[in-house]
Amino acid sequence: SYVLTQPPSVSVAPGQTARITCGGNNIGSKSVHWYQQKPGQAPVLVVYDDSERPSGIPERFSGSNSGNTATLTISRVEAGDEADYYCQVWDSRSDHHYVFGTGTKVTVL
Amino acid sequence: EVQLVESGGGVVQPGGSRRLSCEASGFSFSSYNMNWVRQAPGKGPEWVSHISSGSRDIYYADSVRGRFTISRDNAKNSLYLQMNSLRVEDTAVYYCARVLFGNYMDVWGKGTTVTVSS
Repeated sequence: SYVLTQPPSVSVAPGQTARITCGGNNIGSKSVHWYQQKPGQAPVLVVYDDSERPSGIPERFSGSNSGNTATLTISRVEAGDEADYYCQVWDSRSDHHYVFGTGTKVTVL
Repeated sequence: EVQLVESGGGVVQPGGSRRLSCEASGFSFSSYNMNWVRQAPGKGPEWVSHISSGSRDIYYADSVRGRFTISRDNAKNSLYLQMNSLRVEDTAVYYCARVLFGNYMDVWGKGTTVTVSS
């Protein structure tokens, strides 16, 4: 089955930039989507199709995808960005059609 | 307001059954594919099952195939998950989510908790 690997944690100071990677075999050939999840809440879509933002998501959230790595970038990090972040792809060749990454905890220092 | 509300969670013994429901409002439910996604305590989300708008296409994760059944009633704006032969490892918060054309989920419910324990 297709595997998406994320770093367990990323720490960043307020106002700085956080970059969260999502590694997968030739992930650049797939569309990658990103979700933010705060404790006790459902996931929220923050980026879809590699780099598109749903309405209501700040421009500070951006994404890119190439080769074997997709990246979610959070610019000018705020305390409210502290959360778990998960990447997700759809893999038609896998029984796990919707594959989530291992997740990254973003801590704002 | 676009909304999904799950119900039906609770405590069930191993080997038991449970039926989850998800009621949709604020959008044309019959036009959208839907997913069930679960999240075990302290773990990341795990996709469980998918159903297309007209119920023609149905898929399951390996971990639940043969035990869980997804269905929908578009007249009632409702999605269901029938869970049989439940195992301790099925303990999780179960979310229903709306699926968009690009195979991502843009609207999620708040979830309902299923605990499988003796």
